[in-house]
Amino acid sequence: TQLLEQSPQFLSIQEGENLTVYCNSSSVFSSLQWYRQEPGEGPVLLVTVVTGGEVKKLKRLTFQFGDARKDSSLHITAAQPGDTGLYLCAGRKTSGSRLTFGEGTQLTVNP
Amino acid sequence: NAGVTQTPKFQVLKTGQSMTLQCAQDMNHEYMSWYRQDPGMGLRLIHYSVGAGITDQGEVPNGYNVSRSTTEDFPLRLLSAAPSQTSVYFCASQRTAGPTSNQPQHFGDGTRLSIL
Repeated sequence: TQLLEQSPQFLSIQEGENLTVYCNSSSVFSSLQWYRQEPGEGPVLLVTVVTGGEVKKLKRLTFQFGDARKDSSLHITAAQPGDTGLYLCAGRKTSGSRLTFGEGTQLTVNP
Repeated sequence: NAGVTQTPKFQVLKTGQSMTLQCAQDMNHEYMSWYRQDPGMGLRLIHYSVGAGITDQGEVPNGYNVSRSTTEDFPLRLLSAAPSQTSVYFCASQRTAGPTSNQPQHFGDGTRLSIL
């Protein structure tokens, strides 16, 4: 059983559409990170959220941390083919530095 | 800036063989870790180290050994390779360790390992 569950696992959309990816858990996390991974490469950090209810924006990407710090979402506005990749959420529990990763959401944006 | 360097990039082994996956970072990071990535399972922590001379087990440590004799290097050893260890292995580093650390982890580009 994954501590962090992401949905959907796969998402294929057309350029210009909006989408939301979810990362859910029954556990509380002190912080949550979102990474993006392209084929043949390691994950690269997009954002870290640390406060319940926090919203961060990175150009067309909006990240939100749930009020109870158990879940997070990533919303992409007007998706572009360059957004294609594997999106991973990862959380740190209230003690320790170990990151726990979700299963990932494979996003494909078709031109 | 090299960041985190993993070698080799690809490897094919026979069941029962042993090998070492190399990981080196040039950022003077205290914390280093090894993950394996399998389809539909995200990244799972194998072993990690909070500093030279200190290592600990992660989520899936069986069949793997690590050591951390220097800050820079964190090799992962497969003792007797099994087909279930076919995976993509990622090494990552983080500036410091600590209970409230929110720092990013910096990943290498992975080693793709096939066990026949």
